Order: sequence, then C-alpha cells, then structure tokens
Amino acid sequence: DAKTTQPPSMDCAEGRAANLPCNHSTISGNEYVYWYRQIHSQGPQYIIHGLKNNETNEMASLIITEDRKSSTLILPHATLRDTAVYYCIVRVAANAGKSTFGDGTTLTVKP
Amino acid sequence: ETGVTQTPRHLVMGMTNKKSLKCEQHLGHNAMYWYKQSAKKPLELMFVYNFKEQTENNSVPSRFSPECPNSSHLFLHLHTLQPEDSALYLCASSQGQIGDAEAFFGQGTRLTVV
Repeated sequence: DAKTTQPPSMDCAEGRAANLPCNHSTISGNEYVYWYRQIHSQGPQYIIHGLKNNETNEMASLIITEDRKSSTLILPHATLRDTAVYYCIVRVAANAGKSTFGDGTTLTVKP
Repeated sequence: ETGVTQTPRHLVMGMTNKKSLKCEQHLGHNAMYWYKQSAKKPLELMFVYNFKEQTENNSVPSRFSPECPNSSHLFLHLHTLQPEDSALYLCASSQGQIGDAEAFFGQGTRLTVV
C-alpha cells in the first residue's frame, strides 16, 4: 500500500463543511483511495472510495487531484456525530480488508 | 449494523484462561480478517482468510489461534495471554479479490487480560 499523510487533528463547526486532506504522492496507477472513519471504540466504517474521478455518496464527497497525489474528503454539513478518527488508505482493490491503517485525522465537530 | 457481528463485546480473562472470540457475517463475503487495536495505536492486521483458508499471518504469537470453519464464521481462540494483549479485537469481511469492494467491520471485542 502507498504511504499516506494526514494531519493529526482538525476542528470543524457544526453545520459547516469539513474538508479532510490526504497526501499520497507515491500512489500507483492501480491503487484506489479509500476513506474509513472510526467513532470512539467502535469498528471502522467505510465512507467512500475512488480511483481517478471525484465521487459522491450519501455520506461524503471525495475529490482526487488530477495527478492523484492528494485527495480531500468532504463532509458537507458536519454534525456532532461526525466526530471520529478519519483514515485515508491507498491500496489495490483486491483483498479489501487488508488495509494499512495509519494514525488518521481526529476530527472534532464543535457546537 | 454492518452485517458483521462480534461476540462477546467485552471480555475479561486471566492469564491462565482459555477463551474464544466469535465473528459472524451475513453478507455473503468470502474473505474475513482479524485486526488488533491497542490503546492509542493504529489497527494491526493479524490474520486473513480467503474461502476458509488462512492466507496471511502477520507474525502473530501462537497464543492467538484463529479458526474459520466456513466463509461466514471466524473465531479467535485465546490462551495464556499476557496483559499487553489487552486491546480491541476487530473482525472484518469483504468480497475478497473481486473489484473495488470495501471491508465491513464488526463492533469489536474489548479484551482485558488481568
């Protein structure tokens, strides 16, 4: 898996958009960008993933730069329940559960 | 509810005890995984099973013994554990080597070794 770099922590005001960056400058052509989050003491939860194009689902949007060396996860209207550790993972598609989880970004949504 | 169920949610055991953690998935997945998450540390992949066969063991001590009787069930048998084995143990499942599937995690078993 390619190495990723995320800021250790971020704050966001409730109701505002949360933009979480991730650098993955050594990403290979066949590697996807995945995002998971882990709410305190629970199992990680899949959020979204993408290869080249920007992606959107009911939880978030994923913006991948054209050179694929970085990406941003966007939570459009953060709520207090979005407070969690967010993990950016870069890997090939096979064996989806074989992910290398780093330290992630601790997002704190404040009222 | 992710479709991956782990039991028990909490377990306290002595160093001489033998216990087992159970994981069950109803998603039709063919790959299952055990992860360990110690306090303030990243998740560590322990074991990988594909179609009931163990395909990866990341240098896990033999006091942890996994078992996968079928594609829906995964066990982690514990014996002679040490206090430093106290951690959150997470099970996950996925479609394995198919496309860009994601992994689904259970809620974990919080293990305390005393």
